[in-house]
Amino acid sequence: DGGITQSPKYLFRKEGQNVTLSCEQNLNHDAMYWYRQDPGQGLRLIYYSQIVNDFQKGDIAEGYSVSREKKESFPLTVTSAQKNPTAFYLCASSPRDSTIVTQHFGDGTRLSIL
Amino acid sequence: KNQVEQSPQSLIILEGKNCTLQCNYTVSPFSNLRWYKQDTGRGPVSLTIMTFSENTKSNGRYTATLDADTKQSSLHITASQLSDSASYICVVSTTTSGTYKYIFGTGTRLKVLA
Repeated sequence: DGGITQSPKYLFRKEGQNVTLSCEQNLNHDAMYWYRQDPGQGLRLIYYSQIVNDFQKGDIAEGYSVSREKKESFPLTVTSAQKNPTAFYLCASSPRDSTIVTQHFGDGTRLSIL
Repeated sequence: KNQVEQSPQSLIILEGKNCTLQCNYTVSPFSNLRWYKQDTGRGPVSLTIMTFSENTKSNGRYTATLDADTKQSSLHITASQLSDSASYICVVSTTTSGTYKYIFGTGTRLKVLA
């Protein structure tokens, strides 16, 4: 079955530590996205990438970094500069930004501070 | 400012009853509107997507409506089931310089009781 796989499902970060969240898709989608979900708030865009080796900052990119070396992979690193990293992180993909394209989401990674 | 507002914030209904969730948006220019279902601890799953010219779309017991003039959408759930318990998220997309942007509502949390 095609889909998006996020790992790990739960992740704990210590002070001053960088952590990397994995996102892999086998849908052959060009575009990939990272969102952050906090209680009582809508999803907020961290980074997105429309093609390999290219990515753009979203609305809340500070303290995060990404890479897009392969079409199927879009890992997100939460750096020590992100002072409030506790959240539910969702990765999504779509064939390409288009009028009627639906984003497909992974099942998320919940990040907490130790 | 582009915004998507959903109401109610939460809703409790008995199994077998119908319910309607609301979504009002102030997004311009409008591209399309999507409804997602998000189970607790999972990623959102697409229910419907509607463009400007569509005013109703069904997916099983889910029926979405769109009034582009008043910038309102609703999601009607018929004969609710326990498995309908989830958050329902309205997302409106817009374009800026050829790039699509997705504006997420904060969701309506639905609880269906036996």
